[in-house]
Amino acid sequence: GAVVSQHPSWVICKSGTSVKIECRSLDFQATTMFWYRQFPKQSLMLMATSNEGSKATYEQGVEKDKFLINHASLTLSTLTVTSAHPEDSSFYICSALNPVSGREDTGELFFGEGSRLTVL
Amino acid sequence: GQNIDQPTEMTATEGAIVQINCTYQTSGFNGLFWYQQHAGEAPTFLSYNVLDGLEEKGRFSSFLSRSKGYSYLLLKELQMKDSASYLCAAKDSNYQLIWGAGTKLIIKP
Repeated sequence: GAVVSQHPSWVICKSGTSVKIECRSLDFQATTMFWYRQFPKQSLMLMATSNEGSKATYEQGVEKDKFLINHASLTLSTLTVTSAHPEDSSFYICSALNPVSGREDTGELFFGEGSRLTVL
Repeated sequence: GQNIDQPTEMTATEGAIVQINCTYQTSGFNGLFWYQQHAGEAPTFLSYNVLDGLEEKGRFSSFLSRSKGYSYLLLKELQMKDSASYLCAAKDSNYQLIWGAGTKLIIKP
């Protein structure tokens, strides 16, 4: 099946530094990718929708200057958490929509493995 | 507003059957998804319903009633590995996924 790879799986950084998380679709071209944040025991919260070749669409309350999203190719989207603070510590998950999969009518999302960010 | 309700936690016994309910209120409706999420991992797709009725897939089945804004996920012959959170998500008129908070399912021997 379709595979989405996310890297790194976990990262620890100091407060004030920036962290980049990559999301790759390994065997299909994803024109649309999604970035989520999930705090412990809470649901997925959509942060932004990333479209290849255009600016990301951010959800209300998500700071676009803090969470930089780049979708420069059909197989790669990156999320950069700039000037990270301890409250940014969370589980970040990307997903990609495979428009030509056998389940295209469902708009099935394929998720990356997730990246656990801890800001000290 | 848009809302998805599902129980926070359920407990069941290995080998038994459990039903996880989900009610939704969305602006328009374009299908309902169930995902499984093990602790610390990303969600994995389980099922999709857009028409009323029951969709069966092995040990897992999903039911939808659009008129009632209601769905359930039925897990049969429970195994210890089924211990996970089960997320219900509805797609609204803009094809945006609205996520429930998830139901943590605990399987006991």
